[in-house]
Order: sequence, then structure tokens, then C-alpha cells
Amino acid sequence: KNEVEQSPQNLTAQEGEFITINCSYSVGISALHWLQQHPGGGIVSLFMLSSGKKKHGRLIATINIQEKHSSLHITASHPRDSAVYICAVRSETSGSRLTFGEGTQLTVNP
Amino acid sequence: NAGVTQTPKFRVLKTGQSMTLLCAQDMNHEYMYWYRQDPGMGLRLIHYSVGEGTTAKGEVPDGYNVSRLKKQNFLLGLESAAPSQTSVYFCASTDYLSSYNEQFFGPGTRLTVL
Repeated sequence: KNEVEQSPQNLTAQEGEFITINCSYSVGISALHWLQQHPGGGIVSLFMLSSGKKKHGRLIATINIQEKHSSLHITASHPRDSAVYICAVRSETSGSRLTFGEGTQLTVNP
Repeated sequence: NAGVTQTPKFRVLKTGQSMTLLCAQDMNHEYMYWYRQDPGMGLRLIHYSVGEGTTAKGEVPDGYNVSRLKKQNFLLGLESAAPSQTSVYFCASTDYLSSYNEQFFGPGTRLTVL
């Protein structure tokens, strides 16, 4: 079993829909990251969380440390949100190193 | 600032050939990483460095070597390429001691080994 599991693997939505991507992990962590990989391959960091909730524009990330679970929400989705969304965790014993989920491929149709 | 750059962007090798991938960052970051990304798998750590002159093995180090002679550069070497090393390689860097410690990624190198 992977240390970081994402669901769903693939998600297709219509423009304007509310989207949720889930991430579960099995180790104690010091931080959780959400990243976005564009169709061209570039990877950018969206959020780093250690507790609670963060919001940036139409993106919201939440984390429940007790349940070892995080969600990434996209409100009013748009075709430009189409990308792979990746969850990564920094475990309590790994120093700066991250362990990555396999990613969720999101396609938003107009 | 260029951020994190990688050279080359694409490369095709024959089995047994050698090559070096160069990663450069201009953010004065101490920590640098080399990952590989394969279909159906998450990014996997090959080697990393916590400062100039230091390197350490990651999750999948076999067949690769690295060097960090200058703080801004992190080189990944393949001494004798194998088809199993066909992948997309990403370099990243971070200011680990900062409160946020976002990892900044390079654009990737697509390597095919025939």
C-alpha cells in the first residue's frame, strides 16, 4: 500500500462544477503539499498545510490530521483548471523529503 | 530570476551510453532534489542534497550518480543507460529552513533509452 493515496485517479467535470480531490496518507506528517502539473509538464506548488484550511482564489485545501486526510476543492471550475493535481507529504522522520501520490488527472469541459 | 532550469529538455540515448543532466537554481536554496516520473506512479526521489558538497540516496538511486560541487548546481549522471531509465526527470529545490518550504521544480527532461 502506498504511503499516499489519491482519489479519484481521473475526474471529468463540466465548467462551473465544484470539484473535490482527496488524499489519504498512512504516516505521521509534518506537512502536506498540493501541487499542480500543467499539460506541458511543469509542476507548481499550490498549498502547504500542516493544519486547518487554506484558500487561494477558487482553490481551497483542507487537512484533518487525526483522520490522515486532505482534500483539494476547486469552486466554479474552468477548462484552464485541467491538469494533474498531486498530493505530497513530508513525514515526521523524512526531513525535507516528500512522498508523492500518483496524481489526479482533472479534465474540465466547456 | 530564472528559478530552476534543467538541461537538456529532451534526449535519446542508446543502451550503455552515458549522460549528465544539469540542474541550476538561482534562489540560493540549500536543498536540491532529483526525481523521476513514470506513468502510473508518483514522483520518486532518486538523490538529494542538503548543501554544497553533500549528497544522499533517495528511494530509487541505483544506476544514477550525483554531484553538488557548487551550491547552485546539482548534476545527475547515468553511467550506462538502460531502457528502464526511460522517464521524465525533474529537479527541484527548496529553502527548507523557511516557514513555507515550497519546492520549486524545473521544467523536466524527457529521456528515452533505446
